[in-house]
Amino acid sequence: TQLLEQSPQFLSIQEGENLTVYCNSSSVFSSLQWYRQEPGEGPVLLVTVVTGGEVKKLKRLTFQFGDARKDSSLHITAAQPGDTGLYLCAGARRRGSTLGRLYFGRGTQLTVWP
Amino acid sequence: DTAVSQTPKYLVTQMGNDKSIKCEQNLGHDTMYWYKQDSKKFLKIMFSYNNKELIINETVPNRFSPKSPDKAHLNLHINSLELGDSAVYFCASSLSGPTRETQYFGPGTRLLVL
Repeated sequence: TQLLEQSPQFLSIQEGENLTVYCNSSSVFSSLQWYRQEPGEGPVLLVTVVTGGEVKKLKRLTFQFGDARKDSSLHITAAQPGDTGLYLCAGARRRGSTLGRLYFGRGTQLTVWP
Repeated sequence: DTAVSQTPKYLVTQMGNDKSIKCEQNLGHDTMYWYKQDSKKFLKIMFSYNNKELIINETVPNRFSPKSPDKAHLNLHINSLELGDSAVYFCASSLSGPTRETQYFGPGTRLLVL
């Protein structure tokens, strides 16, 4: 069962454009992480959001956790070729649980052309 | 100063063979994980150890056997390799407690079974 649905699956844009990636679920999550994975490497953690409605900014990246903690979005302003990669959202059902099980979305492959 | 390291990075082997993948982390974390990423980039947890104790064991064939000699190491042994085992295997680690879901990934081991 896929708990987290990411959209779009693929995104190809020109340098300078803005974009938004969505991560949706019918389940409530205690926390949600966003990772970026480049070819041949492991996922690298970008941010963790834990409070409903929380907004976090990382330079040109803005992350938002939905009020009901069922969804999240990643917005990139003025995308650059260096932003190219696979963006993964991952959610935990219970904060600080003894298990730490993460449920991953299927990812959004972003390509930014110069 | 590598945080989470895995060996080997590439593994090509014949069907029916037995192979092992090793993982080490120097972050001082006490929880380690094995994930499998399929050809469509979907990441799914396989196992998790906390202080050498198995705490997550997903529905994985019993040909896969994890072993944690200490909390900084987690190995994965695979018996009787099958074609469907071809994938990228990622090790990850985190610190138990409220931030257990914030996980750090290794570079991955690309397994190809011929």
